[in-house]
Amino acid sequence: GQNIDQPTEMTATEGAIVQINCTYQTSGFNGLFWYQQHAGEAPTFLSYNVLDGLEEKGRFSSFLSRSKGYSYLLLKELQMKDSASYLCAVRDSNYQLIWGAGTKLIIKP
Amino acid sequence: DAEITQSPRHKITETGRQVTLACHQTWNHNNMFWYRQDLGHGLRLIHYSYGVQDTNKGEVSDGYSVSRSNTEDLPLTLESAASSQTSVYFCASSESAVKGSTEAFFGQGTRLTVV
Repeated sequence: GQNIDQPTEMTATEGAIVQINCTYQTSGFNGLFWYQQHAGEAPTFLSYNVLDGLEEKGRFSSFLSRSKGYSYLLLKELQMKDSASYLCAVRDSNYQLIWGAGTKLIIKP
Repeated sequence: DAEITQSPRHKITETGRQVTLACHQTWNHNNMFWYRQDLGHGLRLIHYSYGVQDTNKGEVSDGYSVSRSNTEDLPLTLESAASSQTSVYFCASSESAVKGSTEAFFGQGTRLTVV
């Protein structure tokens, strides 16, 4: 079967750095996405990786290792507004998105 | 600005009733999707469409149907609502995946309660 694993919940301190990991086993690979979802709201796109390496976008970076079936989302200079769930999704060989259950990130002052 | 809207935002219905959730996008995207989101689960795909008159079943399609008569709309129908269908439903749209990153844009969600 196909599955995406992420930690259920993480806690970090305002101003710090946090890394959210995602491991996947899917039928093929056509890219990995990270989305942010605030409570009661729709998911919004953060990043996309299709080649190995690091993609940086402001305070957020995303890393991919296809050989290890592994990605992480790195959030720097954490702000209270970063409290949200972070969803990892992999596009498989049929171009379908397979979603992880999400990681709830709690930011403490 | 282009957008994707869902209606209603909240709905309470009785077991056995037919319910239709609306989804309308102005992105002119060919791809449209319906997901449900439940605690402890990732987004689960119900149905999807790659264009007008095209519909396909996702992993949790039983008890649901969709139709695609134009580019903008993909209504989701619960033929006979069951308590197990109490959930938050998200509609999404995207360009063709062969164009690359093609992130999906989500509607604000519909919270459906079946009593």
